Amino acid sequence: DIQMTQSPSSVSASVGDRVTVTCRASQTISYLAWYQQKPGKAPNLLIHTASNLQTGVPSRFSGSGSGTEFTLTINSLQSEDSSIYYCQQADAFPWTFGQGTTVEI
Amino acid sequence: QVQLQESGPGLVKASQTLSLTCSVSGASISSGDYYWTWIRQSPGKGLEWIGYIFHSGDADYNPSLDSHITMSLDTSRNRFSLNLTSVTAADTAVYFCARDFRDDGGNSVGFDVWGQGTSVIVSS
Repeated sequence: DIQMTQSPSSVSASVGDRVTVTCRASQTISYLAWYQQKPGKAPNLLIHTASNLQTGVPSRFSGSGSGTEFTLTINSLQSEDSSIYYCQQADAFPWTFGQGTTVEI
Repeated sequence: QVQLQESGPGLVKASQTLSLTCSVSGASISSGDYYWTWIRQSPGKGLEWIGYIFHSGDADYNPSLDSHITMSLDTSRNRFSLNLTSVTAADTAVYFCARDFRDDGGNSVGFDVWGQGTSVIVSS
């Protein structure tokens, strides 16, 4: 299985800050998605194919990277961005997720 | 607006079969555009992809669960189901159904619609 490792495991930031979350894959991938999950809710797709913003997602969210290292950036952090963020690969079965990064405001 | 809704027992005894159903509204599961997926989340294992089923009835399962899983479609009711046999405490989790959408090349680009999830506890 492709292992997905996120860092940091948690980050605390202030409103207006820029936050960066990193996801490393155990082998080269192309299809990388990012999700946001709030307590008691299902994950919500933010970014697909590493850098494509899902329809309806605020433009302060962006994704970048290639190969084995990918980044989710949240510009101008808002209070509602307090969540857990997950990466997920869809290159090889089984699809796998990172362990999550908690962003606290 | 596409919506997914899971249903099933909240409590299952160990060694029994867990059966869950996902009802879909706003889209047809008979459409070839999407793969209909089950994902679970537990404190110990995080998010785990269980498998998906296509409109043809073809399915792919996580190899770690393959021997215990069956997925099926009910096109007349526009819903799909998951059966997980011989459950153990390790199967205690929140189970989500989701839609796996594809790019023009047929590659999965993510799960764009999710149900709200249903909690399942396996008791001894």
